[in-house]
Amino acid sequence: AQRVTQPEKLLSVFKGAPVELKCNYSYSGSPELFWYVQYSRQRLQLLLRHISRESIKGFTADLNKGETSFHLKKPFAQEEDSAMYYCATHRGGDYKLSFGAGTTVTVRA
Amino acid sequence: GAVVSQHPSRVICKSGTSVKIECRSLDFQATTMFWYRQFPKQSLMLMATSNEGSKATYEQGVEKDKFLINHASLTLSTLTVTSAHPEDSSFYICSASFGSDRDPYEKLFFGSGTQLSVL
Repeated sequence: AQRVTQPEKLLSVFKGAPVELKCNYSYSGSPELFWYVQYSRQRLQLLLRHISRESIKGFTADLNKGETSFHLKKPFAQEEDSAMYYCATHRGGDYKLSFGAGTTVTVRA
Repeated sequence: GAVVSQHPSRVICKSGTSVKIECRSLDFQATTMFWYRQFPKQSLMLMATSNEGSKATYEQGVEKDKFLINHASLTLSTLTVTSAHPEDSSFYICSASFGSDRDPYEKLFFGSGTQLSVL
C-alpha cells in the first residue's frame, strides 16, 4: 500500500524566509498527491493537489517522480502560514486517503 | 466551500458508557463519509468508510462492534463508541465526499473533529 512520509515534525522559519515541507511517497503507479492544512482550532482543508498545478496562498508543490517527492514550498513565509500541514495520497484503487504524520510550521516575526 | 458539521466538539464520558458522534453535510449530499482517528501529534488514521444505505467498511484492526457506524441518509453519518474505555480517548474526525466517479476527491470536506475523553 502506498504511503507518504513527512520527515519533519516541526519546522520554524522567520517571516519572509522561504519554507519547504518535505513529503516522499511510495507508489509504483501514477500517484494522486495532496497537501492539506490545519490552522489553529480549524478543520482540515485542502491546500492543493498535484494535478491542479495551482499556486494556493503562495504555496506550490511539484511532483518529482524520480525522487518520489511532492515537497511543498513557499518563497516568502507569512505569520498566517503557521499551521499543521499534512501530505496525503490515495490508497490503491479505493480512493481512500492516507496521510503523512504532519509537519507543524511556525513562522516567527 | 461546503460545510461538514461534526458534533459534539468535545465529550467526556465514564468508562463503560457509549458515546455518539454526528457528522452532517450541511449543504450537499454526501455519497461517502469517512471516519478518522487522530492521536496527539500523530497522523489521521482512517477507521472506516461509510456509504449511505450500506454497511460501513472498516479498516484492518478496527473493531466494528466497538465503533458502530450508521449512515442512514445522504447528509448524516454517526459514529458510536460503545462501552468506551480510556484507551478510546482520542480525536475523531469525519469527512464527507460528493465526488463523482471521475474524480472522487473533487469535493471532500472535513468536520472540525470531536475530542473524546474517557475517564
